[in-house]
Amino acid sequence: DTGVSQNPRHKITKRGQNVTFRCDPISEHNRLYWYRQTLGQGPEFLTYFQNEAQLEKSRLLSDRFSAERPKGSFSTLEIQRTEQGDSAMYLCASSPDRGYEQFFGPGTRLTVL
Amino acid sequence: GEDVEQSLFLSVREGDSSVINCTYTDSSSTYLYWYKQEPGAGLQLLTYIFSNMDMKQDQRLTVLLNKKDKHLSLRIADTQTGDSAIYFCAENPSGGSYIPTFGRGTSLIVHP
Repeated sequence: DTGVSQNPRHKITKRGQNVTFRCDPISEHNRLYWYRQTLGQGPEFLTYFQNEAQLEKSRLLSDRFSAERPKGSFSTLEIQRTEQGDSAMYLCASSPDRGYEQFFGPGTRLTVL
Repeated sequence: GEDVEQSLFLSVREGDSSVINCTYTDSSSTYLYWYKQEPGAGLQLLTYIFSNMDMKQDQRLTVLLNKKDKHLSLRIADTQTGDSAIYFCAENPSGGSYIPTFGRGTSLIVHP
């Protein structure tokens, strides 16, 4: 296993369009996290899955954002009706059960024009 | 509430030691982390320390924790140009979700 992967690496879209990102965690990791990172800031937590269950969501996750992890393996993050303020790097991380370390993917950089 | 503070920039000469400082506010934090981010990349965990420790050493990296002052530092010995990156401090409060709170990051610039 080569680590956490994310696709696409870059996405440019026009305001109002929908976008979907995919994250493939390390295969034996049950926990999966999504973060958003804007320029000059650290990652901000968006949501967290334990297997297929979405256990926690940040207030940053507006109703235009939805995340799924249908079979407890890969996850998708969808943003509907994108706004320019959604432009950011979207990071995914995974960890084993009761693991204290999170392993991050390379991120998907979203630019909304 | 939770808040992690770091200075934004540090510039050092190659071969010198670098010390990056961090303060946090959540006294219930059980783990404190240092992550490294290179341009255009995700975060790489460098090291972490349990709250019941006051020091951890791993090759060129030394982490010092002053729990009374809620102060964490990362020392990089013999800093190399390849160490140039953004370094994030993060605290992980007690609880089951292990969701860390990150600082804004310290940009380390190593010049020859």
